[in-house]
Amino acid sequence: EPEVTQTPSHQVTQMGQEVILRCVPISNHLYFYWYRQILGQKVEFLVSFYNNEISEKSEIFDDQFSVERPDGSNFTLKIRSTKLEDSAMYFCASRQGAHEQYFGPGTRLTVT
Amino acid sequence: GNSVTQMEGPVTLSEEAFLTINCTYTATGYPSLFWYVQYPGEGLQLLLKATKADDKGSNKGFEATYRKETTSFHLEKGSVQVSDSAVYFCALSVPISGGYNKLIFGAGTRLAVHP
Repeated sequence: EPEVTQTPSHQVTQMGQEVILRCVPISNHLYFYWYRQILGQKVEFLVSFYNNEISEKSEIFDDQFSVERPDGSNFTLKIRSTKLEDSAMYFCASRQGAHEQYFGPGTRLTVT
Repeated sequence: GNSVTQMEGPVTLSEEAFLTINCTYTATGYPSLFWYVQYPGEGLQLLLKATKADDKGSNKGFEATYRKETTSFHLEKGSVQVSDSAVYFCALSVPISGGYNKLIFGAGTRLAVHP
């Protein structure tokens, strides 16, 4: 069964460093998403992406964040200058046409 | 605004017990409703869904009915197994710009089933 994959599973970085989280969505899916879950809190929507552009972003998704689909298979989330409060589990999701989104296993980001 | 409220966990049950995890929502319009499950060390997996009022979603012995009158989507299972131990998330799908959608999640309810 096709699945969404994410790498790395765990990323540790120092405050102020740039990180890139990678996702490979399901191959025939057209809509892509990033969500995050701060430990002990809700899963929160960050951004949606379709046809090579952002369709919507939350207020969390400020200028420090960017997304890209560089090569037609990968979907990346970049944080330019990480802060302690960026520590969270980041989930990538994709969907085809129906409502359900399929999630990857997540990347745990730890900012020290 | 749109929101989802779930019962707080953890919920601890013995094997073969009956499970209910309550979920209520606030939304404009007619959202689709979902239950996702997260097993230890894994990502979010879609468990079941319902796209309109009175629909019943079901999968792996779990059921939930979309109740518009009570704005609820409670998850039930008649006889839980140890392998059902996980965190369960209720979610609703809301439209965003351009005809796309996003998911709004509840806080999650941890279920622990003991033999």
